[in-house]
Amino acid sequence: EPEVTQTPSHQVTQMGQEVILRCVPISNHLYFYWYRQILGQKVEFLVSFYNNEISEKSEIFDDQFSVERPDGSNFTLKIRSTKLEDSAMYFCASSGETGGAWELFFGEGSRLTVL
Amino acid sequence: GQNIDQPTEMTATEGAIVQINCTYQTSGFNGLFWYQQHAGEAPTFLSYNVLDGLEEKGRFSSFLSRSKGYSYLLLKELQMKDSASYLCAVRAYNTDKLIFGTGTRLQVFP
Repeated sequence: EPEVTQTPSHQVTQMGQEVILRCVPISNHLYFYWYRQILGQKVEFLVSFYNNEISEKSEIFDDQFSVERPDGSNFTLKIRSTKLEDSAMYFCASSGETGGAWELFFGEGSRLTVL
Repeated sequence: GQNIDQPTEMTATEGAIVQINCTYQTSGFNGLFWYQQHAGEAPTFLSYNVLDGLEEKGRFSSFLSRSKGYSYLLLKELQMKDSASYLCAVRAYNTDKLIFGTGTRLQVFP
């Protein structure tokens, strides 16, 4: 069964460092997303991406964040200068037309720890 | 904006039936989704409702009332592996993103 894959599974970084989280969405999907989940809290929307551009972003997705689809398969989230409060699980998701629901399929997540 | 409410925690016994409620307010509605999330893992899709009524999928069913802004997820014949968080999520009109509630942590006891 097709799946969303994410790397790395866990990254530890120092405050102020740049981090890139990588995702390979399901191949025939059209919409791509990044969500984050701080430990013990809800899954929060960061950004959605369609047709090679950002379609929506949340208040969390400030100038420190950027997304890119550098080739036909990868979708990346960059955090330019990490802060302690960026420590969270970051989930990539993709969606496509599967029976009309356009449900989101999530990757296993990248756990980011900022020290 | 959107607001989604669901109970924080529930407990149930193996073999029993449990109903997890979700109420929502949204400006325009284009679908309600239920996801299951085991601790430390990714959310996985369970069900989708866009019209009023009950959708059944094996041991799991989901109900929607759009006029009341209300949904529930019904889990039958509970198993230990059903211990997880259950996330209610809403898609508003003219958007592709899902907004998630805080989730209901279900513990199933033998």
